[in-house]
Amino acid sequence: AQKITQTQPGMFVQEKEAVTLDCTYDTSDQSYGLFWYKQPSSGEMIFLIYQGSYDEQNATEGRYSLNFQKARKSANLVISASQLGDSAMYFCAMRGSSNYKLTFGKGTLLTVNP
Amino acid sequence: EPEVTQTPSHQVTQMGQEVILRCVPISNHLYFYWYRQILGQKVEFLVSFYNNEISEKSEIFDDQFSVERPDGSNFTLKIRSTKLEDSAMYFCASTTIGTANSPLHFGNGTRLTVT
Repeated sequence: AQKITQTQPGMFVQEKEAVTLDCTYDTSDQSYGLFWYKQPSSGEMIFLIYQGSYDEQNATEGRYSLNFQKARKSANLVISASQLGDSAMYFCAMRGSSNYKLTFGKGTLLTVNP
Repeated sequence: EPEVTQTPSHQVTQMGQEVILRCVPISNHLYFYWYRQILGQKVEFLVSFYNNEISEKSEIFDDQFSVERPDGSNFTLKIRSTKLEDSAMYFCASTTIGTANSPLHFGNGTRLTVT
């Protein structure tokens, strides 16, 4: 079974600054994938970035990067140069190799202040 | 870019009524999922579907729920007799392959309100 923990219910950041959203996970699978999704107030679920358990380099996708520390079982999302449109709920999720469903954390509500 | 489409975007129904939520996954995807999100809460797995059968289901997915892929393109979730606690956002998702590194692509969701 997989478990995702997001300890920050809410975060605030000033426009143009960077912010880190925390995610820790637990799994007995050797091979797994970690994902971040963005859910704006309109409700859709938008895939942002992926990190594989065997990837040696941290994933990056535009302003999004993933700080992956395998030994600590953490996969924190870093958003650089925050924009007002980044205000949304952010979910960390994982898929394991024992079953392929996506397991979500409880999410972090990010508010970007002008 | 191809996307998962869900209809309707919002459905209101009375308790005890049957509802069918519809989804058209991305055309070359083979694995399909339904998730739900009660307002303000986490996203919960309901069921996964591959090769015309359920591959996994959660405790939430009881006998009141069923899924079907009737015509090779649509993927439906049926709730036979809705309860108040079924009120939630229901998301359909699909992915190409059943491995850990393939992201799920979600539709925009159907907001179900049971009165």
